[in-house]
Amino acid sequence: DAGVIQSPRHEVTEMGQEVTLRCKPISGHNSLFWYRQTMMRGLELLIYFNNNVPIDDSGMPEDRFSAKMPNASFSTLKIQPSEPRDSAVYFCASSLALGQGHTVLHFGNGTRLTVT
Amino acid sequence: AQSVTQLGSHVSVSEGALVLLRCNYSSSVPPYLFWYVQYPNQGLQLLLKYTSAATLVKGINGFEAEFKKSETSFHLTKPSAHMSDAAEYFCAVSVSGGYQKVTFGTGTKLQVIP
Repeated sequence: DAGVIQSPRHEVTEMGQEVTLRCKPISGHNSLFWYRQTMMRGLELLIYFNNNVPIDDSGMPEDRFSAKMPNASFSTLKIQPSEPRDSAVYFCASSLALGQGHTVLHFGNGTRLTVT
Repeated sequence: AQSVTQLGSHVSVSEGALVLLRCNYSSSVPPYLFWYVQYPNQGLQLLLKYTSAATLVKGINGFEAEFKKSETSFHLTKPSAHMSDAAEYFCAVSVSGGYQKVTFGTGTKLQVIP
């Protein structure tokens, strides 16, 4: 089991640039989550996919953020244009959701984004 | 909507002392409760979870938590702290049916003093 794989681990970019974060969930999992972690706001859910379909994107900060899941083994989170306030650690998590509500989230090691 | 509140953003204990991290939940339906741990530069990983099978739940690394409905609490304990327990701990809640939304608390950083 390779776990959830995120890339890159670190990203430094200038304000206004496009940033793409990538995630490969655990094989067989049907749910994927993108979270953002900051000192000020803690852990925030950005978007949730189930069977590759976005179910809840109410946490996406604004139109500059977009997420896709073209297939069961890959997802991207894009920020265009990036701003310094987007600096944070972005986590991807996956799970096998069977409707009971107590399934476990498996997190990647995150992407630390710094926008200067 | 469900929520959790973690009391104390930072807790310090001496090595060998009792660890107690507090979590209170709010939910209009029976909740599922979790504790996750985050080590530096890593993602969160599950310590333990409550699914109504038993009120006292044992997890990895000697941690356990007790579900107390009357107090709406799910505190995390460990009898004897080890240096390797230094990390950030997150309480989380979800409910059954429909959208599996997990709501996390704000986290408690545990410092273990040698």
